[in-house]
Amino acid sequence: DGGITQSPKYLFRKEGQNVTLSCEQNLNHDAMYWYRQDPGQGLRLIYYSQIVNDFQKGDIAEGYSVSREKKESFPLTVTSAQKNPTAFYLCASSILTAAGRVKAFFGQGTRLTVV
Amino acid sequence: AQSVTQPDIHITVSEGASLELRCNYSYGATPYLFWYVQSPGQGLQLLLKYFSGDTLVQGIKGFEAEFKRSQSSFNLRKPSVHWSDAAEYFCAVGGVEGGTSYGKLTFGQGTILTVHP
Repeated sequence: DGGITQSPKYLFRKEGQNVTLSCEQNLNHDAMYWYRQDPGQGLRLIYYSQIVNDFQKGDIAEGYSVSREKKESFPLTVTSAQKNPTAFYLCASSILTAAGRVKAFFGQGTRLTVV
Repeated sequence: AQSVTQPDIHITVSEGASLELRCNYSYGATPYLFWYVQSPGQGLQLLLKYFSGDTLVQGIKGFEAEFKRSQSSFNLRKPSVHWSDAAEYFCAVGGVEGGTSYGKLTFGQGTILTVHP
């Protein structure tokens, strides 16, 4: 079955360390996204990528970095510059269908806790 | 810039009662509108979506939503709530930018639904 896989589900890191969250999709979607979710704030867009080797900053990109070397993969690195990294991170992908409709799918999320 | 407002942070209803979750959006062109549901610690599941055509859309789990362009709203409804509907609900707006093959979504803050027996 096609889908989006985020790993790991739970991640613990010490303050000041960089950490990379994995996101893989086998849906053949062109676009991929990273969202951060905090209680009471909904989902906020960190980075998105429309095609391989290209990505754009979202609303809260500071302290994060991404790469898109393969269509299937869009890893997110939370750097030590991110002041408040503890959050739930969701990866998504989307495609525009031949009928002009947008289909978006989400992974199950990674909960990052920095201690 | 596109934006979504869900005015109710937390709603409590009794099992069997009707439900309406509010969503207002701001978008420069014709919007694509979505409702997602999220159980604790899980990803998002799509309940329903609106692209064009009939303004009343039916979704999974007995949910429906009505698109009202004049009010910039896309409220989610269910005639009779079940205990298993307790979750957090997100409204999202998106569109196609510049003819690219993707759609960027903007989410509301979410509404937590509690269901009393």
